[in-house]
Amino acid sequence: DQQVKQNSPSLSVQEGRISILNCDYTNSMFDYFLWYKKYPAEGPTFLISISSIKDKNEDGRFTVFLNKSAKHLSLHIVPSQPGDSAVYFCAASGTGNAGKSTFGDGTTLTVKP
Amino acid sequence: DTGVSQDPRHKITKRGQNVTFRCDPISEHNRLYWYRQTLGQGPEFLTYFQNEAQLEKSRLLSDRFSAERPKGSFSTLEIQRTEQGDSAMYLCASSPASGRKYNEQFFGPGTRLTVL
Repeated sequence: DQQVKQNSPSLSVQEGRISILNCDYTNSMFDYFLWYKKYPAEGPTFLISISSIKDKNEDGRFTVFLNKSAKHLSLHIVPSQPGDSAVYFCAASGTGNAGKSTFGDGTTLTVKP
Repeated sequence: DTGVSQDPRHKITKRGQNVTFRCDPISEHNRLYWYRQTLGQGPEFLTYFQNEAQLEKSRLLSDRFSAERPKGSFSTLEIQRTEQGDSAMYLCASSPASGRKYNEQFFGPGTRLTVL
């Protein structure tokens, strides 16, 4: 049973527009959520995170929204840039899990110039 | 701080051979994780160390897999009697044991294993 799901394998947006990447989770014990970005031939790189005590966290062009009742989070990138083209992984961890993360399968974002 | 490094970056081996991968974490990070990633999937947790102690192992880690972190610094992951199903990217990550960033993992570039 996959506990973290990213139902859209790919997303294509025009430069300057908003990119919205979605993630759903099933485990109620998760209380910390992260987004990682991965370029080809590199390991994932941390992008932004949110604790379950918040419903929004913003860092520059990146905003993560958390809806605990729906067990859903989303990553908004605005404005999108061609350099944002990468695979984005949603990850979740729980208190007492020693930071171990459960990852979704990723969404490939393509930002067209 | 040069980040997390992994060696080798690529490994091609024949079925039945043993392979060993090395990970050098960020020096001040107490925690070290191994993940496996196959095509089209996200990283799957394999095992985790805090300093030299291996505190958790996934059921994905069969008895052919063994990991060590002898002095609480670098770590090795060995796969014995490799099978074609072991072909994957093996990722190492590290994180501090406490502080604001303890949930954030810093990943290495990975070792891509191909078993023929």
